[in-house]
Amino acid sequence: LAKTTQPISMDSYEGQEVNITCSHNNIATNDYITWYQQFPSQGPRFIIQGYKTKVTNEVASLFIPADRKSSTLSLPRVSLSDTAVYYCLVGELADKLIFGTGTRLQVFP
Amino acid sequence: DTEVTQTPKHLVMGMTNKKSLKCEQHMGHRAMYWYKQKAKKPPELMFVYSYEKLSINESVPSRFSPECPNSSLLNLHLHALQPEDSALYLCASSPAPRNEQYFGPGTRLTVT
Repeated sequence: LAKTTQPISMDSYEGQEVNITCSHNNIATNDYITWYQQFPSQGPRFIIQGYKTKVTNEVASLFIPADRKSSTLSLPRVSLSDTAVYYCLVGELADKLIFGTGTRLQVFP
Repeated sequence: DTEVTQTPKHLVMGMTNKKSLKCEQHMGHRAMYWYKQKAKKPPELMFVYSYEKLSINESVPSRFSPECPNSSLLNLHLHALQPEDSALYLCASSPAPRNEQYFGPGTRLTVT
């Protein structure tokens, strides 16, 4: 399973765009990239998943360069409620997810 | 119904007790999972059930015993736990193996 590396923490202000980058140098051909959000004492929540190029949904965008060795989760115009831990996961078998340390995002007013 | 429910929300048990955690989903998902999460740590996968059969056991001690009575229900039976087993136990489901997972709110377990 590909190992992921993310910044431990990030700070932002309300209304700003936040980009969280995840490094996964040994990603395999069949691996997908998935991001989850977790609030304290709650279960993680699926945000977005992608394989290559760009994926966008109603809450975020995921940018994956051609070499797929990294990916960037983009959160447009964050609010205080986006303060959470964000996990990047890489793998073919989504049923064997290995969560990395995650990025703790703090949004300030 | 678009959520995963877990009961109880909180559980305190002694090391000699036997208790069970329950997880339920009515989304027709065919894969279900148990995770353990310690404070300020990422979730750790414990068990995976795929089409009601145990497909992954991540070398979990035998004092944790999973059960999947049907496609909507997942139990985790606990026996002779240790204080270090105190954690948030999360259940998740996915439409099929390899799909994104939907997590329940968790059961906060304290072993005394």
